[in-house]
Amino acid sequence: DQQVKQNSPSLSVQEGRISILNCDYTNSMFDYFLWYKKYPAEGPTFLISISSIKDKNEDGRFTVFLNKSAKHLSLHIVPSQPGDSAVYFCAASAHQGGSEKLVFGKGTKLTVNP
Amino acid sequence: GAGVSQTPSNKVTEKGKYVELRCDPISGHTALYWYRQSLGQGPEFLIYFQGTGAADDSGLPNDRFFAVRPEGSVSTLKIQRTERGDSAVYLCASSPGFYQYNEQFFGPGTRLTVL
Repeated sequence: DQQVKQNSPSLSVQEGRISILNCDYTNSMFDYFLWYKKYPAEGPTFLISISSIKDKNEDGRFTVFLNKSAKHLSLHIVPSQPGDSAVYFCAASAHQGGSEKLVFGKGTKLTVNP
Repeated sequence: GAGVSQTPSNKVTEKGKYVELRCDPISGHTALYWYRQSLGQGPEFLIYFQGTGAADDSGLPNDRFFAVRPEGSVSTLKIQRTERGDSAVYLCASSPGFYQYNEQFFGPGTRLTVL
C-alpha cells in the first residue's frame, strides 16, 4: 500500500519552460514533506521541503506547493535547465513517536531538453 | 569531504554469505538512517538511530538484518545468510536530529549484488 504516490514515471520539458512534478499521499499524519533529486550512481540530494503548517515554500527556481485538503503536493521548477534532468523523489514523514523515517514515492524522471 | 560516506561502493557476494555495510555520517549528526532502494522504486526505510540506540527498526525485513552504531557515529548494517532478493542499493542518511524538522543527507549508497 503506497502511502506516497508519484503517478508520472517520466516528464519531458523544454529548457526555459516550467516543470511541474506531482505527488499524492494518503497518510493524514504526515507533517513534513521533502523533494529529493537523484542522479545515476549517486545518493538522493535534498532539494526543498515544506511543513504542514505552510502551503508554499520557495527557494530560487524551486517552489513546493502543499494542498493538505487534497493530500497533494507539487514541485515547480522555473525556468527548467538541462542540468535539472534527474529522477525526483517526493518524501514525507510523520513526527508522532519521534521517528523521522521518510516514506518515498517511486520517483519521476525529468528530462529537460535543450 | 564533509558528506555522508559509505563503504564499499559495490559488494558482490554469494547466496548464503554474510555481509557488512558501513556508513560514516556527517560529523555532529545524531540521527542516522538506513534505507534500501530496489530498481524502479523509491528508497524504503530500514532502521533509524538516535545516538547509539535504534529508535525505530520497524523497516528491517526479517531477523537476518541487523544494524549497530556503538559510539553514536559510524554505523554498520549486517546481513546474514544473504538471499538474491537482498540485492539492492543500501543508502545511509544522517541529520542533525535536534530540530523539529530535519532534512536527511544521503550518502552515495552501497550496491549489493547477491549471486
